[in-house]
Amino acid sequence: DGGITQSPKYLFRKEGQNVTLSCEQNLNHDAMYWYRQDPGQGLRLIYYSQIVNDFQKGDIAEGYSVSREKKESFPLTVTSAQKNPTAFYLCASSIVQDPRGYTFGSGTRLTVV
Amino acid sequence: QKEVEQNSGPLSVPEGAIASLNCTYSDRGSQSFFWYRQYSGKSPELIMSIYSNGDKEDGRFTAQLNKASQYVSLLIRDSQPSDSATYLCAVKNTGTASKLTFGTGTRLQVTL
Repeated sequence: DGGITQSPKYLFRKEGQNVTLSCEQNLNHDAMYWYRQDPGQGLRLIYYSQIVNDFQKGDIAEGYSVSREKKESFPLTVTSAQKNPTAFYLCASSIVQDPRGYTFGSGTRLTVV
Repeated sequence: QKEVEQNSGPLSVPEGAIASLNCTYSDRGSQSFFWYRQYSGKSPELIMSIYSNGDKEDGRFTAQLNKASQYVSLLIRDSQPSDSATYLCAVKNTGTASKLTFGTGTRLQVTL
């Protein structure tokens, strides 16, 4: 079955440590997105990519980095510069210029310990 | 000013009643509108999309769009306890990017 896989489901980060969240899709979607969700809040866009080897900053890109070396993969690195990384991270994909909505992964819950 | 606004709730309705969820948006050129349901600790799932003014019905769900008033709503008929969740309104803004802007969500509680 086609879908988006995020891993790990839970991740713990120590102070000053970089961690990478994985997102893989087999839907043949061109566009991929990373959102952050804090308790009681909506989704805020971190980065998005509409084509391989190209990506754009979203509203809250500081302290995060991404790469898009393959169409299927869009990993997110939470760097030590992100001072408050504890949140629920969601990856999504879509067809560019398709009016339909996203397909979401199951999310990664990141906690600073 | 927030681009997509929703009342955070909680909105409490008795089982069998109609739940009405509302959303306003600021980008007048927005073309596509979506309602997602999100259970606690889970990822959002798409339940309705609407692109033109008027009503769109799918089972117990009806989405309503009024572009002149920049307003989109979701009605849930015969509300069930399983409908208790947070409902996120999302808008595809003008421009070439396909990204969506989300509201903060309305928490719905269906009581027995």
